[in-house]
Amino acid sequence: QVQLVESGGAWAKPGGSLRLSCAASGFIFGDYYMSWVRQAPGKGLEWVSYISGTSHYTNYADAVKGRFTISRDNAENSVYLQMNSLRAEDTAVYYCARVRYFDGPQDSWGQGTLVTVSS
Amino acid sequence: QSVLTQPPSVSAAPGQKVTISCSGSSSNIGHNYVSWYQHLPGTAPKLLIYENSHRPSTISDRFSGSKSGTSATLDITGLQTGDEADYYCGTWDTSLSGAGVFGGGTKLTVL
Repeated sequence: QVQLVESGGAWAKPGGSLRLSCAASGFIFGDYYMSWVRQAPGKGLEWVSYISGTSHYTNYADAVKGRFTISRDNAENSVYLQMNSLRAEDTAVYYCARVRYFDGPQDSWGQGTLVTVSS
Repeated sequence: QSVLTQPPSVSAAPGQKVTISCSGSSSNIGHNYVSWYQHLPGTAPKLLIYENSHRPSTISDRFSGSKSGTSATLDITGLQTGDEADYYCGTWDTSLSGAGVFGGGTKLTVL
């Protein structure tokens, strides 16, 4: 069955960097878009970014554009989120999700990894 | 402020029916399919409804969805205590360069 396991969440200072990873299994990874979605404490879900199966297409929420970079390694069945210039408002649980097709539903999700940004 | 608007909370007794609304605009709900997700704190969100009204095979037929114009609704019938969770609508927004958007979430309480 589809399994997504995030890692890399940690504490970071404002202005710092973190790299999140998501290991996928149970499906042909390169056939799917993948996305990152986050949930800040006490808040709702917020879409962050997606990447196409071939890495040709990426997209970002305005809140992270220019600071976060999504990438993937299809040989490793993994998707990554490089987060630079971190801010307190980036504090959240970060989920990776499989996108069924372009502009389609996010049909499988991981358990999430916690990122805390504070001084 | 979320792009899609949902009521913050709804409640009903076990066995009853509840409806959760999701309001958007022509650039998101009016232009794309709507999905619904169930989220219990500390767990992975779960896809309940996709393409406005389709259920994954693992989802109970107590859950149903519909869309009309720039609004969508999620109905849950035969409420069970295990349905207590946060529910989110989601889609994509052409006016935001195709970015993903979610509603603010609705907390369902089964009294």
